[in-house]
Amino acid sequence: AQTVTQSQPEMSVQEAETVTLSCTYDTSENNYYLFWYKQPPSRQMILVIRQEAYKQQNATENRFSVNFQKAAKSFSLKISDSQLGDTAMYFCAFMKLSGTYKYIFGTGTRLKVLA
Amino acid sequence: DSGVTQTPKHLITATGQRVTLRCSPRSGDLSVYWYQQSLDQGLQFLIQYYNGEERAKGNILERFSAQQFPDLHSELNLSSLELGDSALYFCASTPPAGNEQFFGPGTRLTVL
Repeated sequence: AQTVTQSQPEMSVQEAETVTLSCTYDTSENNYYLFWYKQPPSRQMILVIRQEAYKQQNATENRFSVNFQKAAKSFSLKISDSQLGDTAMYFCAFMKLSGTYKYIFGTGTRLKVLA
Repeated sequence: DSGVTQTPKHLITATGQRVTLRCSPRSGDLSVYWYQQSLDQGLQFLIQYYNGEERAKGNILERFSAQQFPDLHSELNLSSLELGDSALYFCASTPPAGNEQFFGPGTRLTVL
């Protein structure tokens, strides 16, 4: 069975600094997707970034980038130039491409950006 | 706006009661997922429907049930409510050939 682990329940970062959130997963699948979702205080779930497992190149979306290490089953999120609006809960998610239920979410990391 | 709608936004009810939460997926999306998020917790997968049929079940209680209708909207029914059922309930949909889940705004259920 697949699992997703986020080992940092809470983190904080100074505005304009860089922070990295960690995520590890366990799977025997070869083809899958990985995601980072953001949940601000409004509670809306918002997709931040996605990575296809077959792509070696790390995904980037503006100030957000990932470090995808397939062999190590690691998928960390780097937020550069942190902004107050980045304060949120961040969930790492795994999606497999076979079988029934596809998505598994981690338990989340609460990030606070300090002014 | 993700295109997924959920009603109602808030629901306050008493223990022992029954409620129905409604979700309309994005136009063209066939899959609907239901999640429960208790206070400051992660997302707990409840159930998935695809084009009207149940596809996968998570840790859904027997007091809970769901269905997806021909127009693809879905309803989650929660009965014999307990205080511990107070949570945010999310619905998400995915496109037929896609991978991203689009989440609705959630329904906040408070059981008193």
